[in-house]
Amino acid sequence: DAGVTQSPTHLIKTRGQQVTLRCSPKSGHDTVSWYQQALGQGPQFIFQYYEEEERQRGNFPDRFSGHQFPNYSSELNVNALLLGDSALYLCASSFGGLAGRRTDTQYFGPGTRLTVL
Amino acid sequence: AQTVTQSQPEMSVQEAETVTLSCTYDTSENNYYLFWYKQPPSRQMILVIRQEAYKQQNATENRFSVNFQKAAKSFSLKISDSQLGDTAMYFCAFAYRDMRFGAGTRLTVKP
Repeated sequence: DAGVTQSPTHLIKTRGQQVTLRCSPKSGHDTVSWYQQALGQGPQFIFQYYEEEERQRGNFPDRFSGHQFPNYSSELNVNALLLGDSALYLCASSFGGLAGRRTDTQYFGPGTRLTVL
Repeated sequence: AQTVTQSQPEMSVQEAETVTLSCTYDTSENNYYLFWYKQPPSRQMILVIRQEAYKQQNATENRFSVNFQKAAKSFSLKISDSQLGDTAMYFCAFAYRDMRFGAGTRLTVKP
């Protein structure tokens, strides 16, 4: 049973560029959440996708956007990169994560390390 | 807004001994979930234990157990018979619609 997978593992970009990160959820899961983890800090919630729509969003600017595909995989896009966007980006999957319903356990992928120069 | 506080940035314990990690949270919700996740140097976030707020019984998973005090909004993690492989960052997390994490506690198990 494949767990949550993310690609790429590492990425180096320069300020002002755009980046796309990818996530495939654990088998049987239909909900994907994205987190940003700066060095030495806990993960910060970016947004959650369920049924191909953004259902919940944390305190992140519109430069952060996402998408969920019919096979439940997801992409995180960040435009106009800033030095402060350098972080580990974690994807987590769960089942039935519709806002207002029961929040199931989230399983995390290995993350994508983004460095902005 | 829900907040999660871990007041112990670093802790250490001798191998085979017991250690308790503290976590408090703030919420006005009644039905929610609490988690402890472990993040070793490999950076993979691994679920340690989960507690549903509507359950009074404390969750246990092998050497890991929690002390859930709903009224006090406290959720501590006890690790018994500590092993070298338990060395990692430990994050407490609160889940209601989204998930909020504490700043983490770095645990070192010493031989």
